[in-house]
Amino acid sequence: GAGVSQTPSNKVTEKGKYVELRCDPISGHTALYWYRQSLGQGPEFLIYFQGTGAADDSGLPNDRFFAVRPEGSVSTLKIQRTERGDSAVYLCASSLSRQRVNTGELFFGEGSRLTVL
Amino acid sequence: KQEVTQIPAALSVPEGENLVLNCSFTDSAIYNLQWFRQDPGKGLTSLLLIQSSQREQTSGRLNASLDKSSGRSTLYIAASQPGDSATYLCAVRRSSGSARQLTFGSGTQLTVLP
Repeated sequence: GAGVSQTPSNKVTEKGKYVELRCDPISGHTALYWYRQSLGQGPEFLIYFQGTGAADDSGLPNDRFFAVRPEGSVSTLKIQRTERGDSAVYLCASSLSRQRVNTGELFFGEGSRLTVL
Repeated sequence: KQEVTQIPAALSVPEGENLVLNCSFTDSAIYNLQWFRQDPGKGLTSLLLIQSSQREQTSGRLNASLDKSSGRSTLYIAASQPGDSATYLCAVRRSSGSARQLTFGSGTQLTVLP
C-alpha cells in the first residue's frame, strides 16, 4: 500500500481481555517496528522485526505482550490479560533494511488507540 | 542508554515568526536523527532525516541541523503559520549493535497563533 496501515484505529476493551492489533507495512519494507505512546510522551520502542523474525524484542514490557510477523509483511501485536496501564496508542512503523541502500528512514502508521476499562 | 531531551516542552508564537526547536541526546554514536510532526490523535509524519555524516537538511520552510559531537539538533521553522501547530518529535537511531530502534524525545508542542 501507499503507507503503513493499522487496524483497528480505536479499541475499547475490558480489563483481563485479549487484544490483537494489526499492522500492514509499506510494500517492500522488510523492517517493521512496534512502539507504544502514552499521553504527552514520545513513543517507546516495543519490538523490531527484520523479515519474519523478531530481531529485538527488548522493549516488550512483560510476557503478556507478543508480536508475530509470519510471512514477513503484516504483523500482529497481541496483548493478553489486558490491564488499565496498557491503555495507550500503539504505533507501527516500517523501513527498508539497512543491508540495502537506503536512508534508514522510518514511516509510521496512524496508530491504534487502546483503552482498557 | 540513550536519552533524548526536547526543550521547550511547549511553545506559543504569533504567526510569521521564525522559531527554533531544540533536541539533545546523550550518546553521540548515532546512525541518524529524524524529526517528526504529530497532529492530535494522529500518527507521526516524517519531516527531515539527517544522517550522522551530515550537518543539516532543508525542506521548504524547515531546516534541521545536527552537531553530533555535542549531542544536539535544532529544527528551524521559518515564517511560521497556524497550520504548523502540532507536536514536534526528534528521534535518534543507534549506529551499532543489533538494535535498530529510534529513541524519541517527549516532543515540543507548538502553537502558532493567527
